[in-house]
Amino acid sequence: AQSVTQLGSHVSVSEGALVLLRCNYSSSVPPYLFWYVQYPNQGLQLLLKYTSAATLVKGINGFEAEFKKSETSFHLTKPSVHISDTAEYFCAVSDRNYGQNFVFGPGTRLSVLP
Amino acid sequence: DTGVSQDPRHKITKRGQNVTFRCDPISEHNRLYWYRQTLGQGPEFLTYFQNEAQLEKSRLLSDRFSAERPKGSFSTLEIQRTEQGDSAMYLCASSPEGDRAYNEQFFGPGTRLTVL
Repeated sequence: AQSVTQLGSHVSVSEGALVLLRCNYSSSVPPYLFWYVQYPNQGLQLLLKYTSAATLVKGINGFEAEFKKSETSFHLTKPSVHISDTAEYFCAVSDRNYGQNFVFGPGTRLSVLP
Repeated sequence: DTGVSQDPRHKITKRGQNVTFRCDPISEHNRLYWYRQTLGQGPEFLTYFQNEAQLEKSRLLSDRFSAERPKGSFSTLEIQRTEQGDSAMYLCASSPEGDRAYNEQFFGPGTRLTVL
């Protein structure tokens, strides 16, 4: 069965700092991995996805994530965050061999402080 | 706006009442999903439609829940005899034809249900 863990339910950083949001997955086959962002009172928006083409994936708004098979991880980073990055971030996994449905992690709330 | 829309955005109801939510997907998307999101958790899959056919249901979808997608366009999710445990955000998403596991899902803003 697939599952996703996100270490750290709440992360606070200062504006301009680097941020790392953790995602670890379990999957019996090579997965597809996604990061979504949810701003207050809005739906989820795709930041980036890993589909086996390249292990370092660049997304929107300056975010990137690196797939590490040996660590079963897909951590999200941004070198310099802005106050507008304050939101909830969700990691999700899917694969063709297990239901093809997205399984989401519990999310990490990012607060960017002035 | 050509994104996924959901109506209503908020619903407050009393325990035991029936409620119905509507989702309008992106027009060219033939796949539609319903999720439930409780506070502090990620979205949990409820059910999936390809065109008008409901192809998959999670065991989270008890017999009080029913979903339809007549004519393969908009979808409705009905909860009968609501319970306080049904209080959650109900999210709808749609995706285009192609590899289901690979394609991005586009989410609506959600319907927040509060059962008193």
